[in-house]
Amino acid sequence: DVKVTQSSRYLVKRTGEKVFLECVQDMDHENMFWYRQDPGLGLRLIYFSYDVKMKEKGDIPEGYSVSREKKERFSLILESASTNQTSMYLCASFRTGLWAGELFFGEGSRLTVL
Amino acid sequence: KNEVEQSPQNLTAQEGEFITINCSYSVGISALHWLQQHPGGGIVSLFMLSSGKKKHGRLIATINIQEKHSSLHITASHPRDSAVYICAVREDSNYQLIWGAGTKLIIKP
Repeated sequence: DVKVTQSSRYLVKRTGEKVFLECVQDMDHENMFWYRQDPGLGLRLIYFSYDVKMKEKGDIPEGYSVSREKKERFSLILESASTNQTSMYLCASFRTGLWAGELFFGEGSRLTVL
Repeated sequence: KNEVEQSPQNLTAQEGEFITINCSYSVGISALHWLQQHPGGGIVSLFMLSSGKKKHGRLIATINIQEKHSSLHITASHPRDSAVYICAVREDSNYQLIWGAGTKLIIKP
């Protein structure tokens, strides 16, 4: 089974702390995404990556950065967490090209910033 | 205007009813995804379509590329089908996904 694994299901951090959210997929997918999901706002794209060391800003990149040093791992970094970054964070991946397929999501990481 | 429109936004039905959720889009696509999210749960892929029709159990998804429209049908609906159903399209010009706003479905016993 394809698996997208997010490192933490629930995190509580304080304002100003640095936060790392890790996402690992085991199916050699080129494309990986970080979204946040908030009530009434749906899914909003933060960053995506279509290859190792490649990254592209999504719709709401401010306050976030990402790292993709290995194909299977896509990390989301909050350099200085703020209360308005309290949200559910979802990682997703899929394959493009000849074997393009389904979209797979991790279970989500619910972050609370106090 | 949103590039991906879902209807209805909310749907309440009785157990056993036939359910239809619609998705219309305005861009060229390489694929369309239907996904499901139960309350408090993760997002699960139901179907990926680029043409025609797919069936999995009581779920059927169709797509009409010429009309830029897709439907998700649920036959013999059950309370456990209560969830948000989301349509997303993969543009044929880039890697990004464009998301519909979701349809909240409630099936009453």
